[in-house]
Amino acid sequence: GAVVSQHPSWVICKSGTSVKIECRSLDFQATTMFWYRQFPKQSLMLMATSNEGSKATYEQGVEKDKFLINHASLTLSTLTVTSAHPEDSSFYICSAEREGPDEQYFGPGTRLTVT
Amino acid sequence: RKEVEQDPGPFNVPEGATVAFNCTYSNSASQSFFWYRQDCRKEPKLLMSVYSSGNEDGRFTAQLNRASQYISLLIRDSKLSDSATYLCVVENTDKLIFGTGTRLQVFP
Repeated sequence: GAVVSQHPSWVICKSGTSVKIECRSLDFQATTMFWYRQFPKQSLMLMATSNEGSKATYEQGVEKDKFLINHASLTLSTLTVTSAHPEDSSFYICSAEREGPDEQYFGPGTRLTVT
Repeated sequence: RKEVEQDPGPFNVPEGATVAFNCTYSNSASQSFFWYRQDCRKEPKLLMSVYSSGNEDGRFTAQLNRASQYISLLIRDSKLSDSATYLCVVENTDKLIFGTGTRLQVFP
């Protein structure tokens, strides 16, 4: 099956710093990738849709200047959490859409803790 | 009202039991429907798609009722390894909308 990786798998950072999370599709090209966030005991919430070569589309309530998304190639999308605060602590999961079946394949997630 | 609603559970059942989860969705224009499984601190994994005609995969049976905007998942002969959170997922305009999940705990 299709494989999507994320790096890092977990990160602890101090308040005010920026953190970059990478999402890679390892064995297929993904024109579209998605970024989700999941707080404890809550559902995954779509943050933004990342399109290769164009600007990301953000969901309502998600600050595009705080969550910077770059989809520079067909196998890599990055999410940068700028000036992180403790309330940004969450489980960030990406998914990559494989064309044909248009199925989303999820990465293993990145657990971010901001102290 | 949430777009996708599920009973959060937990459902505690003994091995071998049959358990059913229900889910309702609010957008009648939703196109596709899925059940995902999520283990603690892991990413969700696709369990099965849900079709109007109903579909079965081994011990798992999924049903969709478009008129009632209702989706169900039936698990027969529960195994300890079935313990997880089951997420009802609806696709609207190429986006996946996740329910909060129903937690299942199967005990010996």
